[in-house]
Amino acid sequence: EVQLVESGGGLVQPGGSLRLSCAASGFGFTFSSYDMNWVRQAPGKGLEWLSYISSSGSSIYYADSVKGRFTISRDNAKNSLYLLMNSLRAEDTAIYYCARDPHSRWWFDPWGQGTLVTVSS
Amino acid sequence: DTQMTQSPSSVSASVGDRVTITCRASQGISSWLAWYQQKPGKAPKLLIYAASSLQSGVPSRFSGSGSGTDFTLTISSLQPEDFATYYCQQANSFPLTFGGGTKVEIK
Repeated sequence: EVQLVESGGGLVQPGGSLRLSCAASGFGFTFSSYDMNWVRQAPGKGLEWLSYISSSGSSIYYADSVKGRFTISRDNAKNSLYLLMNSLRAEDTAIYYCARDPHSRWWFDPWGQGTLVTVSS
Repeated sequence: DTQMTQSPSSVSASVGDRVTITCRASQGISSWLAWYQQKPGKAPKLLIYAASSLQSGVPSRFSGSGSGTDFTLTISSLQPEDFATYYCQQANSFPLTFGGGTKVEIK
């Protein structure tokens, strides 16, 4: 079974930075074969896709809301996905999920349990 | 960007009821649509992909249909564990976008 575990969330001041990690594991799961994504959910709100990275890391996309502030990356040798978040704003407060693209067709399964990021002074 | 509009935003239903949720895309997305179920405090779970393909392990009472701009998720006989919020997501082009969600509540 594929497992994704996010970490790195916490309380940060406006304008600050945070780096989220997503550790992938599972019998027979070859992390380097799958495209990955970050999706967030503000408290009591819906889902917002943030960023995509292809299996090799050669193709990357961002939502306009985070473009220029957030950077997605991956380390296939460490089975890990990252999201570096700079210039954080109050509206970035959310649960951040990493999610695998199972078919290279831009949907998400499975998802991690999420990590909460709170941006507040 | 492709906007996804779900309706209704909430629905009250009883166990055994047939429930239908609609998702409309602001432009044609062929069959590049997924449906997710999210329970409180949990991560979303993929139910349907490519508009009508059932994800492995998902009960057959869930089904999806549609293409182009109009899609539906149907739960043929609502079970207690199905009370949750459901989201559609277009997978046709970046930025990937979700519908606003439909909360299925107990009547």
